Amino acid sequence: DTVLTQSPALAVSPGERVSISCRASEGVNSYMHWYQQKPGQQPKLLIYKASNLASGVPARFSGSGSGTDFTLTIDPVEADDTATYFCQQSWNDPNTFGAGTKLELK
Amino acid sequence: QVTLKESGPGILQPSQTLSLTCTFSGFSLSTYGMGVGWIRQPSGKGLEWLANIWWDDDKYYNPSLKNRLTISKDTSNNQTFLKITNVDTADTATYYCARIPSTEGIDYWGQGVMVTVSS
Repeated sequence: DTVLTQSPALAVSPGERVSISCRASEGVNSYMHWYQQKPGQQPKLLIYKASNLASGVPARFSGSGSGTDFTLTIDPVEADDTATYFCQQSWNDPNTFGAGTKLELK
Repeated sequence: QVTLKESGPGILQPSQTLSLTCTFSGFSLSTYGMGVGWIRQPSGKGLEWLANIWWDDDKYYNPSLKNRLTISKDTSNNQTFLKITNVDTADTATYYCARIPSTEGIDYWGQGVMVTVSS
């Protein structure tokens, strides 16, 4: 299976820029997607196919990368962005998710 | 407006079969490229992809669970179904169904249904 590695947690101050990384154990082309999940809620699609902003998602969110290294950037971070962020690849079978990066605000 | 809602038994005993239903609206599973998937998440843990079914009735199963999973659909009633046989406590999780428009990630998720396996 394609393993997606994310850092477990980050803490930033409102107004700052934060980059959340996701590294794949093998190439996934551009088929990397990013989700935001708040406690007690279902995940929400933020970015699809590495760099495409999902409908209704603020332009503060952006994605980049290809192959094995991908980044979700939030700039500027707002208090409401406190959540866990998951990456997911859909290039290799089975589709897999990263373990998630918990973003906390200082 | 796209919505999906999962339903299930809530609690069941080890070795039983888990039957889940996803009822959706706002799109059709007969649309070219459209799919619905099932994903689960144990409490406080990560997400695990289980199975997909596509507009053309093609099916995909996670190989780690393949022998235990069966996915199906009722296009006319806008439903998909997932069965997991021989459950045990490791199957305790929140189960989500979700819309997958071709290769564009999972754009809509249901609210999830919690399933507990306990004797």
